[in-house]
Amino acid sequence: DARVTQTPRHKVTEMGQEVTMRCQPILGHNTVFWYRQTMMQGLELLAYFRNRAPLDDSGMPKDRFSAEMPDATLATLKIQPSEPRDSAVYFCASGLYPTGRNTGELFFGEGSRLTVL
Amino acid sequence: AQTVTQSQPEMSVQEAETVTLSCTYDTSESDYYLFWYKQPPSRQMILVIRQEAYKQQNATENRFSVNFQKAAKSFSLKISDSQLGDAAMYFCAYRSSLFGNEKLTFGTGTRLTIIP
Repeated sequence: DARVTQTPRHKVTEMGQEVTMRCQPILGHNTVFWYRQTMMQGLELLAYFRNRAPLDDSGMPKDRFSAEMPDATLATLKIQPSEPRDSAVYFCASGLYPTGRNTGELFFGEGSRLTVL
Repeated sequence: AQTVTQSQPEMSVQEAETVTLSCTYDTSESDYYLFWYKQPPSRQMILVIRQEAYKQQNATENRFSVNFQKAAKSFSLKISDSQLGDAAMYFCAYRSSLFGNEKLTFGTGTRLTIIP
């Protein structure tokens, strides 16, 4: 059963520490998204990649956030230094585009809940 | 930029009854896709149903159906014969059909409670 795998599921850290979240997209998917979910802002797109190249990272605070795809099986989202306002659930999702009249279903991971104290 | 609006933060329904969740969106595009995602307490985002804007026929998936009104830019979700397992947050989402713009734009969600 193909699924998007995210680690860690939960992370508690102190302000100023570096946080790295990892995502393994579904094998064969060429597009990977990072979303952040908070009560106040809902689901926000941080960045997304096509064939490992960044397509859009305009939603990501550039001063402290970075996203990469070292290879096709791994996407990372790093926060350095972390701040309490970064506390949220971070979702990774993957999909395959384009594929004819692909309706573009995204497959989401279970999310990484980050708490920054 | 496209926006998605869900005007009902919370809804409740008796088990076995029917409930409709509202969603409106704003876009200047003529071809796009619309989705409803379910997020139970487990946090997992689960696709419930999808609609292609070029299709006039409303999508259905078992007990779930949509009422897609393209001119009104409305995309409501109807859940028939509600079950306890339907309790969750429901998000409406929009996706452009333009290559290179495949991100999903989500609404703020509707929390659905099922009353036994």
